Amino acid sequence: AAGVIQSPRHLIKEKRETATLKCYPIPRHDTVYWYQQGPGQDPQFLISFYEKMQSDKGSIPDRFSAQQFSDYHSELNMSSLELGDSALYFCASARTQAREQYFGPGTRLTVT
Amino acid sequence: QKEVEQDPGPLSVPEGAIVSLNCTYSNSAFQYFMWYRQYSRKGPELLMYTYSSGNKEDGRFTAQVDKSSKYISLFIRDSQPSDSATYLCAMSARNTDKLIFGTGTRLQVFP
Repeated sequence: AAGVIQSPRHLIKEKRETATLKCYPIPRHDTVYWYQQGPGQDPQFLISFYEKMQSDKGSIPDRFSAQQFSDYHSELNMSSLELGDSALYFCASARTQAREQYFGPGTRLTVT
Repeated sequence: QKEVEQDPGPLSVPEGAIVSLNCTYSNSAFQYFMWYRQYSRKGPELLMYTYSSGNKEDGRFTAQVDKSSKYISLFIRDSQPSDSATYLCAMSARNTDKLIFGTGTRLQVFP
């Protein structure tokens, strides 16, 4: 079965640079979520989109922005990167009104 | 104090054992409960989803929710070395679908 696709899988950036992470949800899933998982920590909710509109917002820094496009893929844009932004970034998708979220393999961001 | 508490382990059991993983939570608004399995450096994989109180069984896995005690459990029967992973509980409230995770329990099943 098709799964959530994330790209790139690994990304190395320097401080103050920008990064763009992409997420392609499971076909026919219209809701996308972004989570950040620091080393040895549980995933923390950042932001979600339903039908291309932001539906919920968590502890996402103002330096980050995200959007969902007409084909339902989503992009997380991160600017002025800091060392503390180094983490695994997961995208998850869900069908309309469904609670089950299916996670992608993640993008490992390293900021040096 | 975190909204969701989970014993970090590690929990080490022999192959074939019954494993019990647990989470407690403080927010009475949580209605939807999930268990995820996460292998090292991989994305969380959805194992079980339950709504409100009760039991749900799927193969070797049984999920239990006790809302009155704010306590959820995942039981794994006939555990296998391939079950060795970190198990995360997650939950959400009615008015939002963002998931709040426990810290995860690391499970090791040895042959």
